Amino acid sequence: QSVLTQPPSVSAAPGQKVTISCSGSSSNIGNNYVFWYQQLPGTAPKLLIYDSNTRPSGIPDRFSGSKSGTSATLGITGLQTGDEADYYCGTWDSSLSAGVFGGGTKLTVL
Amino acid sequence: QVQLQESGPGLVKPSETLSLTCTVSGGSISSYYWSWIRQPPGKGLEWIGHFYNSGITNYNPSLKSRVTISVDTSKNQFSLKLSSVAAADTAVYYCARGLTPSYWGQGTLVTVSS
Repeated sequence: QSVLTQPPSVSAAPGQKVTISCSGSSSNIGNNYVFWYQQLPGTAPKLLIYDSNTRPSGIPDRFSGSKSGTSATLGITGLQTGDEADYYCGTWDSSLSAGVFGGGTKLTVL
Repeated sequence: QVQLQESGPGLVKPSETLSLTCTVSGGSISSYYWSWIRQPPGKGLEWIGHFYNSGITNYNPSLKSRVTISVDTSKNQFSLKLSSVAAADTAVYYCARGLTPSYWGQGTLVTVSS
């Protein structure tokens, strides 16, 4: 059982937009920055978003992050077949003094 | 460009200690947070712990009694020891850099089996 809650799967057609939610509590998302990772099969996770809404260099602006209260959202526009992957949210939990992740969301581009 | 590489046995017997090393190249281990994260086959990511060279160390509460993360600055390496392993500890183990891990190793599969 993950500390952060994500939907197990989402799907959308190529070219469309999709959002992935990440729900937590005041001890984690509510008071800390959120980060998002993309994991392609057989590879290490790749950082997409940090500080809740900042993209590292090289990440296209099709990817965006936002946070409100104890929830965060990853948005992906202009979906491509290459975006099919597992997506994870994560943050610091101040009560646990530990990093925490969501259970992951599998994105299918139909 | 910072690179991380995990190394260690791919097979560990139940009740024994899992030991992995992460070798860092392209940057000094004396700065930044350095983390261990694992992923059981077909499952999600689990944060194991991290350290900062000033002496800060934090561990996942569910693993804290079995985990030790240490550093060897002379070799630019840091290590993970997980004691009393069981089948549930079978996973790909990643080392990574940063409080928000931005650089990751490729991961190494450790199987716990007799």
